[in-house]
Amino acid sequence: KQEVTQIPAALSVPEGENLVLNCSFTDSAIYNLQWFRQDPGKGLTSLLLIQSSQREQTSGRLNASLDKSSGRSTLYIAASQPGDSATYLCAASGSARQLTFGSGTQLTVLP
Amino acid sequence: SAVISQKPSRDICQRGTSLTIQCQVDSQVTMMFWYRQQPGQSLTLIATANQGSEATYESGFVIDKFPISRPNLTFSTLTVSNMSPEDSSIYLCSAPTSGFDNEQFFGPGTRLTVL
Repeated sequence: KQEVTQIPAALSVPEGENLVLNCSFTDSAIYNLQWFRQDPGKGLTSLLLIQSSQREQTSGRLNASLDKSSGRSTLYIAASQPGDSATYLCAASGSARQLTFGSGTQLTVLP
Repeated sequence: SAVISQKPSRDICQRGTSLTIQCQVDSQVTMMFWYRQQPGQSLTLIATANQGSEATYESGFVIDKFPISRPNLTFSTLTVSNMSPEDSSIYLCSAPTSGFDNEQFFGPGTRLTVL
């Protein structure tokens, strides 16, 4: 059974810092890996999706990497802004397209 | 991308009653998924709903408690039956885009409080 772990659970940084969020998964037979953002009381916003055959994806200030052999993914946020404050979730997709979520990293960017 | 809406957005219910949550997708999708997010927790998959077949439930979730309908390729409902305070959660539906990417999009969620 797939298990997804995210560290750290919470992170507080000053505005402008670059930061890395970590995600690890136990079963490397994933279809893809997806990073989401969740604002308090809201649904999930898809940030980046990495196919199992890819190594990384970039969107604006966000860069996500995937290393299937080690069961790890990272989300890099450059030049963080207060508007980036949210909970970030990674999710591994299985063969039936169901997602297994990590417990999330709660990010606070201080102005 | 897919735009997904849910109704109701929130509800407060009495113990022992049932609530049906609706999920509407703006395009036809083969698969739809229902997730639960308990307070302070991450998302847990309840079941997979495919049109034309019975829903497939994950371990710990049963059809009598969470009956699901999938009458067509754009719509699904999840019913939370005989509710107890432990059912207080956010319930979210999702659907993957068609094609290779299979990027999943989520509805805004239904926040359920059971008294």
